Amino acid sequence: ETGVTQSPTHLIKTRGQQVTLRCSSQSGHNTVSWYQQALGQGPQFIFQYYREEENGRGNFPPRFSGLQFPNYSSELNVNALELDDSALYLCASSLDPSDNYGYTFGSGTRLTVV
Amino acid sequence: DQQVKQNSPSLSVQEGRISILNCDYTNSMFDYFLWYKKYPAEGPTFLISISSIKDKNEDGRFTVFLNKSAKHLSLHIVPSQPGDSAVYFCAARDNNAGNMLTFGGGTRLMVKP
Repeated sequence: ETGVTQSPTHLIKTRGQQVTLRCSSQSGHNTVSWYQQALGQGPQFIFQYYREEENGRGNFPPRFSGLQFPNYSSELNVNALELDDSALYLCASSLDPSDNYGYTFGSGTRLTVV
Repeated sequence: DQQVKQNSPSLSVQEGRISILNCDYTNSMFDYFLWYKKYPAEGPTFLISISSIKDKNEDGRFTVFLNKSAKHLSLHIVPSQPGDSAVYFCAARDNNAGNMLTFGGGTRLMVKP
C-alpha cells in the first residue's frame, strides 16, 4: 500500500507566474484535501475534492484552484503568484470526506516565490 | 481570528518525564479534536483524537484531555522518549462547516536524553 506522494518536493517561482502542484492519493482513498502551511504556522485548509468535485473551500482567493482526476489524484493550481504564497503545500487523502482521523498527509511541496 | 491556539511554541523535557502540550479553542461548534505529530521533511501524522462528548482518550503513552467548559485540551506523553521530539499540532473540526480541520500553530517538543 503506497502512501500519499507529492511532486515536486521543492519549487522556486517568480511573482506573477503560475504553478501546478501534484498529489497522488493513498490507494483506496477517494478524497483529497489541500493545506497551506506558512513558516512557523499550522496548516490552513485550502479546499477538498471528493469524487472529482470540490467539496469545501477555505478562505483562499479564486486564483487557488484545483482538480481531481478519475484515479483520485489531484492538482493544486495557483495563478498570479504573490510573495506571501511562499509556503509548504500539503496534500492529505482519506477514505471519505468525514474521515479526518484517517487523513494521510504527503511530505509536501515547498514553494518559494521570489 | 485564530480559532485554535497553541500558546507555547516550544517545550523541552527530560527523557522519562511527562510532556504536556496545551491547546485552546474559541469555536464552541467544534465537535472533534485531533493531535498530529510532524517530523522535519515529513507530512503530519495522526496521533490521537477525542470527540467532544468525551473528556479523556488514552492510547499507550499518549492521553488527550478535553475540558469543554474551558475550551481547552491537552496532550500528555508519559514517559517521554527522545523519538517523541517533533512539532505537535492540535486540530479541530466543526461538523457543520464542512470537513476542514482548523490547526493550531504547533508546539515544538524536545525530549532530552
